[in-house]
Amino acid sequence: GQQVMQIPQYQHVQEGEDFTTYCNSSTTLSNIQWYKQRPGGHPVFLIQLVKSGEVKKQKRLTFQFGEAKKNSSLHITATQTTDVGTYFCAQGAQKLVFGQGTRLTINP
Amino acid sequence: SAVISQKPSRDICQRGTSLTIQCQVDSQVTMMFWYRQQPGQSLTLIATANQGSEATYESGFVIDKFPISRPNLTFSTLTVSNMSPEDSSIYLCSVGAYGTEAFFGQGTRLTVV
Repeated sequence: GQQVMQIPQYQHVQEGEDFTTYCNSSTTLSNIQWYKQRPGGHPVFLIQLVKSGEVKKQKRLTFQFGEAKKNSSLHITATQTTDVGTYFCAQGAQKLVFGQGTRLTINP
Repeated sequence: SAVISQKPSRDICQRGTSLTIQCQVDSQVTMMFWYRQQPGQSLTLIATANQGSEATYESGFVIDKFPISRPNLTFSTLTVSNMSPEDSSIYLCSVGAYGTEAFFGQGTRLTVV
């Protein structure tokens, strides 16, 4: 099945700095979803992208889907301590294939 | 949206024993999914549970080790059989409509000693 590679595996930032995580696939994706998992919690849906070149924003979060639909990114502007967690990309229609996740830690 | 109640939330089990995890959904759903999340790792799909038919297992997972029941459209169980320390993981059930967001249970944190 299709796999998505996600980088970096870990990211530590100072509060207020920006953060970006990337997902890449060798094949064209029909969609990409992003999830956040707080420490000790379960994954929570953030957004789904389906269109080539799509950009969606949720407050300080910006999600992009590449023109070729083979890559995606999540960018957080001016991180806050509440952003701590692991961010996963995932692809699929019903059953999901998850990227490896990027664990974000923040120094207040 | 869907609300999923999963239990137990955590357990510590002796090796060689079995644990059954339950998931109850607040609405009828065609498919339920079971994932495993090993410590510090991503989510890996174990199987898809379909009502009225046998579950469909992903590569590397077998029914003898992870038997699944799906007696109706709102409930499913996953059993982790003959456990070893390598089975220590978080197990998550999930539902989602086609092409939309997935909802997850709170997860079962299993430690095998």
